[in-house]
Amino acid sequence: ELKVEQNPLFLSMQEGKNYTIYCNYSTTSDRLYWYRQDPGKSLESLFVLLSNGAVKQEGRLMASLDTKARLSTLHITAAVHDLSATYFCAVEASTSGTYKYIFGTGTRLKVLA
Amino acid sequence: NAGVTQTPKFRVLKTGQSMTLLCAQDMNHEYMYWYRQDPGMGLRLIHYSVGEGTTAKGEVPDGYNVSRLKKQNFLLGLESAAPSQTSVYFCASSYSGSGRAYNEQFFGPGTRLTVL
Repeated sequence: ELKVEQNPLFLSMQEGKNYTIYCNYSTTSDRLYWYRQDPGKSLESLFVLLSNGAVKQEGRLMASLDTKARLSTLHITAAVHDLSATYFCAVEASTSGTYKYIFGTGTRLKVLA
Repeated sequence: NAGVTQTPKFRVLKTGQSMTLLCAQDMNHEYMYWYRQDPGMGLRLIHYSVGEGTTAKGEVPDGYNVSRLKKQNFLLGLESAAPSQTSVYFCASSYSGSGRAYNEQFFGPGTRLTVL
């Protein structure tokens, strides 16, 4: 059974600081997605990571994928208040030709001014 | 281009009542999904569909039924609602898995359901 674990679950950080969110998964997959969710809102796609060593950056966020370690990271550089949200990773898995997604439990990030 | 839409946005039910949640997408996606989101548990897959006329069970299918009579619509039904089904329900859609580099999911705005 595919499991996806994120840590930390909650993260409170000061503006200007750096931090990393980790996403570990339990089976072979080379497609991993990061989403952002604002309170009371839907999920918005942030990054699509498709292969080992993939790195994507958008503003103060950078995501990477290590398929051998079954690990993805979301790094936050010089955090600002607008980054406060819940971040989810999702792993795409194939079973008998059907594709499904398993989501991590999410990391609730709060950036303090 | 509306993307993925969900109806209704909010609903309050009494235990034992039934209802149907409607999801519609205008992106010609093959795959559609229903998730529920509960505090501290992320998103859990209820049912999904890989094409018109097909449905399959996800992680937490009990108490729910689905239908995909048209490619653009995916319905989620609760036959006899229970308080444990109080949750936020999200619909999503994506292109089919095979032959594509990736299959990014697009999410609807969600339906907040309370069962008393």
